[in-house]
Amino acid sequence: LAKTTQPISMDSYEGQEVNITCSHNNIATNDYITWYQQFPSQGPRFIIQGYKTKVTNEVASLFIPADRKSSTLSLPRVSLSDTAVYYCLVGERGNTGKLIFGQGTTLQVKP
Amino acid sequence: NAGVTQTPKFQVLKTGQSMTLQCAQDMNHNSMYWYRQDPGMGLRLIYYSASEGTTDKGEVPNGYNVSRLNKREFSLRLESAAPSQTSVYFCASSEVEGDDQPQHFGDGTRLSIL
Repeated sequence: LAKTTQPISMDSYEGQEVNITCSHNNIATNDYITWYQQFPSQGPRFIIQGYKTKVTNEVASLFIPADRKSSTLSLPRVSLSDTAVYYCLVGERGNTGKLIFGQGTTLQVKP
Repeated sequence: NAGVTQTPKFQVLKTGQSMTLQCAQDMNHNSMYWYRQDPGMGLRLIYYSASEGTTDKGEVPNGYNVSRLNKREFSLRLESAAPSQTSVYFCASSEVEGDDQPQHFGDGTRLSIL
């Protein structure tokens, strides 16, 4: 059973690049790596997904090393509006076999 | 383009009352989900519907029932509300069921049970 670990919280300042690393040592061959973002008082929002190497979209980049045992979500030049909880979902399933959301990483961006 | 719409946004109930939370999506998605989110915890899956006409239990189904009314709508019912069901409830949908399928969430229903 995959176990996903990510920092509980991180602080950053406006304009900085933020990297949030997720550890998933027991990732299975067919597991994808998916990140969601949740702003206060809103539902989670899908931001990026990858299987290997690097994926980039207009919001973020996702770096996945060859062994796939970890992944890093990179947010370029954050602003105050990037303050949110970021969830990494990788192969960790509940008793129904569905992927579960952990506690995520609370990112606080300061001015 | 509304995405996933949940009603109501807020509700206060008394213990023992019943209530139905409504969810509708306009993305022609096949799969729909109900989650609850409590302080300090991640989202927990209550029920899901992989496709129209099917429903399955999630991790925490006790005290809830669901109805997949049609492809667009998936409702969650509390038959006899209990204080332990005070939570924020999120509905989500995805094109099909699968770990690689991004889920699209509504903005939640904040439910308080006194």
